[in-house]
Amino acid sequence: ILNVEQSPQSLHVQEGDSTNFTCSFPSSNFYALHWYRWETAKSPEALFVMTLNGDEKKKGRISATLNTKEGYSYLYIKGSQPEDSATYLCASASYDKVIFGPGTSLSVIP
Amino acid sequence: IAGITQAPTSQILAAGRRMTLRCTQDMRHNAMYWYRQDLGLGLRLIHYSNTAGTTGKGEVPDGYSVSRANTDDFPLTLASAVPSQTSVYFCASSDTPGTAFGYTFGSGTRLTVV
Repeated sequence: ILNVEQSPQSLHVQEGDSTNFTCSFPSSNFYALHWYRWETAKSPEALFVMTLNGDEKKKGRISATLNTKEGYSYLYIKGSQPEDSATYLCASASYDKVIFGPGTSLSVIP
Repeated sequence: IAGITQAPTSQILAAGRRMTLRCTQDMRHNAMYWYRQDLGLGLRLIHYSNTAGTTGKGEVPDGYSVSRANTDDFPLTLASAVPSQTSVYFCASSDTPGTAFGYTFGSGTRLTVV
């Protein structure tokens, strides 16, 4: 069974600050890494799916990188805005299952 | 609007009662999943279905059953609810069973077993 960890558990930043968080996963049997954005009272929304070592994905002010050899992915948010406040989930996928991490809760203070 | 519909939105249930959580998708996705979300534990897979007519057990299947009679519907049944099944339940789907694709999630069902 895969064990996916995320750090930090929670984060409070000022509006305009840039921030990043980490997702760690076992590198064996790796197939894909998912990032989701989960706002309170809503359902998780897929941000990125990455499969190749060295992959970088970007959507607006949010970007992600992937290192499959050492088993980590970073999510970066540039110039955080209050609407970025959410829980960010990563999930590590082997060929037949997806295991979610516990999430990083981000609060952006205006 | 394409997506996943879950019902009910929330429910308070007496222990020992039977309950079915409904999940319907209109995207013709082949694979569907049920997760429970508990504080500090993230999303844990209960059951899944790679295609209509097939189901499989996830990480925490005990006390739950599912069926997949057609592509669109994937109900989750608690045969005899217990307080430890108090949780938020999310249904999800993906176009293929492969895990290289992101999931589409429903809005969740908040279940309280008393």
